[in-house]
Amino acid sequence: DAGVIQSPRHEVTEMGQEVTLRCKPISGHDYLFWYRQTMMRGLELLIYFNNNVPIDDSGMPEDRFSAKMPNASFSTLKIQPSEPRDSAVYFCASSFGGTEKLFFGSGTQLSVL
Amino acid sequence: GESVGLHLPTLSVQEGDNSIINCAYSNSASDYFIWYKQESGKGPQFIIDIRSNMDKRQGQRVTVLLNKTVKHLSLQIAATQPGDSAVYFCAEKRGYSTLTFGKGTMLLVSP
Repeated sequence: DAGVIQSPRHEVTEMGQEVTLRCKPISGHDYLFWYRQTMMRGLELLIYFNNNVPIDDSGMPEDRFSAKMPNASFSTLKIQPSEPRDSAVYFCASSFGGTEKLFFGSGTQLSVL
Repeated sequence: GESVGLHLPTLSVQEGDNSIINCAYSNSASDYFIWYKQESGKGPQFIIDIRSNMDKRQGQRVTVLLNKTVKHLSLQIAATQPGDSAVYFCAEKRGYSTLTFGKGTMLLVSP
């Protein structure tokens, strides 16, 4: 079992650039979550999907953030344009059957200069 | 306990000691609780969970205790090892909502 796979592991970009983070959930899982982690705010839920359909995106900071899940094995989180305050670790997680026992990927460390 | 601002509460123990990490949760209606371990540079890893109809659950070297009266959750680690050094998060949820995570406690284990 490969677990949740995220790419890239590290991303350094300049303010104003578009950033795309990618996630492959565990095969068979029907829920997918995007979280952001900072020292100040801890783990924050951005958005989650059930069966590829966005269920709750109330945690998405603003219109610069968007997420898609075109199929059961792939999701993207896009930031356009990026800003320095977006610097954080972004985690993808997946689960089966509900929003309880989540399995997290290794995260993407994003630095916006 | 849970942190405020930038500083995580830290628990320092000696290898072989038992560790107790505490968590005060906020919603008296929460019916599911879970503990995660996060090592440096990695994502949170599931440790153990418990539902509100239980007050204790045991795993391998870990025990979770739930006191609903005072809204308190604790994680006990027996015979703590250097590999247990990490940040530990509790999380809670109610019904069909999503998990709400605490800010975490750092556990440092000295050989």
